[in-house]
Order: sequence, then structure tokens, then C-alpha cells
Amino acid sequence: EIVLTQSPATLSMSPGERATLSCRASQSVSTHLAWYQQKPGQAPRLLIYDASNRSPGIPARFSGSGSGTDFTLTISSLEPEDFAVYYCQQSSIWYTFGQGTKLDFK
Amino acid sequence: QVQLQESGPGLVKPSETLSLTCSVSGVSIKNYYWNWIRQSPGKGLEWIGHIYNSGSTKYSPSLKSRVTISVDTSKNHFSLGLSTVTAADTAIYYCAMSLYYYDSGGPRIRAFDYWGLGTLVTVSS
Repeated sequence: EIVLTQSPATLSMSPGERATLSCRASQSVSTHLAWYQQKPGQAPRLLIYDASNRSPGIPARFSGSGSGTDFTLTISSLEPEDFAVYYCQQSSIWYTFGQGTKLDFK
Repeated sequence: QVQLQESGPGLVKPSETLSLTCSVSGVSIKNYYWNWIRQSPGKGLEWIGHIYNSGSTKYSPSLKSRVTISVDTSKNHFSLGLSTVTAADTAIYYCAMSLYYYDSGGPRIRAFDYWGLGTLVTVSS
């Protein structure tokens, strides 16, 4: 099973700041990686697929990069509605998720 | 627009079978991939399996012996059965739709594009 490790577990930031979230795979997943945002009481929402492609309707402040085993989700300037939990997910071999990074207010 | 809605019992007894249905609106269930995913505090998000092509299935290796996913195209819904449940199966269960594309290995999905709201299933006597 491919294990995805996200860091940090919690990221404390302020609106307007730039956030960088990391996801590392236990073996190469090429670019078969997606990112999701989940708010309390809601289902995850797809943000990024194939490592760097934004899902329709996702604001341009969200961007993804990386390939192989190391991936990054960047939020260029945090809005109040961006404070949530973020998950990465690979579709290279079966489908597994990372444990999540909680983005909260500093 | 695409909408998915899970339904089924919120409480299941240990050793019994968990049964859920996902009703789909806005698209035909004859297309796309249709997934079940669960989320628990202990195990996080876990893919259970999917159905596609109106009947082909793939299941998580760790759950394969207990899982059945089926589709009813006349009702535009698909269902999950998970047998011999224990407390470890307590989770929020989501259904999700995936777009797909073709590469050298055949059709594959890239992500879970649309999700239902989720339904909490508790396993307890």
C-alpha cells in the first residue's frame, strides 16, 4: 500500500499569508495525486487533480506542484474560508489518502 | 448539477450487514465511476470500492472479502453492502463520483470529483 505522509499536522496562519502544505508518498505516484479541502460537517471537496490541475470552480489562489514522491499545495493568500483540513490522495496504485493537515487561525 | 445522497440505517449490530444506497441526480449512472469511501477518527479517509460500466467492480484489498457494490440503472442509484461488521466499521460513509480517462493501461480515474454529504453509521449492540 502506498502511504502518504502530510506535513505539518497543523499549520497556524493568518488571512493574507501564503500557506504551503506538503505530501510525501512512500513510493513514486508519478503525478497521480489529488488534493481535497474538508470543512467541519462537510464532505471533502476536490481542489487539485493530477498534481497541478485545478478542479472547475476552484479559485486561482490554490495551486499544486510536484511529481514522483514529493508534492505541495500552495494557497497564495489565505482567505477566511480557507481554514479547514486538507488531504492528499493518490491514484497510482489503488487509492489512499494522507492523514490531513489542519490549517487554523494563528 | 451532479448531486449524490446517501441513505440507510444509522445503527447496525455487530456481525450484521451494513447496507447503504447512494441516489444520483444530474447525470446518468451508466457513465462514470461510482465510489464508496468512509472516514473514521482512527483510520482517516479510506476508499472501499467502486463500480463502473454498469456492473464492473473493484474493491479495496483490505475489505474485499466483506464488500459488495451494485448498481440499479433504472433507479439511478448504487448500493454498498459490508458484511460481518464490527465496531471498527463505525464511520461516516460517503458516496462519490469519479470522471475517468484512458491511458495505456485502460480506463482510470484521477480523483473523487463529486461527493455526497455522508451518512454516519454506528456499529453497536
